[in-house]
Amino acid sequence: NAGVMQNPRHLVRRRGQEARLRCSPMKGHSHVYWYRQLPEEGLKFMVYLQKENIIDESGMPKERFSAEFPKEGPSILRIQQVVRGDSAAYFCASSPWADYEQYFGPGTRLTVT
Amino acid sequence: GESVGLHLPTLSVQEGDNSIINCAYSNSASDYFIWYKQESGKGPQFIIDIRSNMDKRQGQRVTVLLNKTVKHLSLQIAATQPGDSAVYFCAEEYGNKLVFGAGTILRVKS
Repeated sequence: NAGVMQNPRHLVRRRGQEARLRCSPMKGHSHVYWYRQLPEEGLKFMVYLQKENIIDESGMPKERFSAEFPKEGPSILRIQQVVRGDSAAYFCASSPWADYEQYFGPGTRLTVT
Repeated sequence: GESVGLHLPTLSVQEGDNSIINCAYSNSASDYFIWYKQESGKGPQFIIDIRSNMDKRQGQRVTVLLNKTVKHLSLQIAATQPGDSAVYFCAEEYGNKLVFGAGTILRVKS
């Protein structure tokens, strides 16, 4: 059973470009969570999704950031018009149901130049 | 508010000694806590969890203690090994999300 997969592992974008981060949850998991980690800090919650629904987006910046988890395919975290402050590691986690252990992917390291 | 904090940012221990990493949490309503290990360039890896109806839980070489009176968590690692060197995070489940502490760096000296 493959773990949570994220791609790309490393992404470099110039200021103003768009970044798309993908997350494939573990097989059988329908709950997906996105977290952001700045250097030498803990992970900060961004958004929690189930298939085709956003359940909690209280950690998402109000502008430029969006997330989806379609019926088919991976979950996508999209950052429009990236700025240097968006440079961070973005982790996805999945779980089979709510209030259960979350399994983390290897992360996508976004660098904005 | 919702915050989980760690007292010691860096812990150095001799190989073979026991390690204790501490964590304070602020939300008394939380009922699920997890310790994660993160190695450089990797995602957090689950170590052990505990629910609020327990005060101690043991795994292989690891023990988590929960003191709800003072809102304190600790992770004990027995016979620390070089492979235990990593950043350790405690996390508290709050609503639908995990609230992470800032992390403690564990360095194991051979």
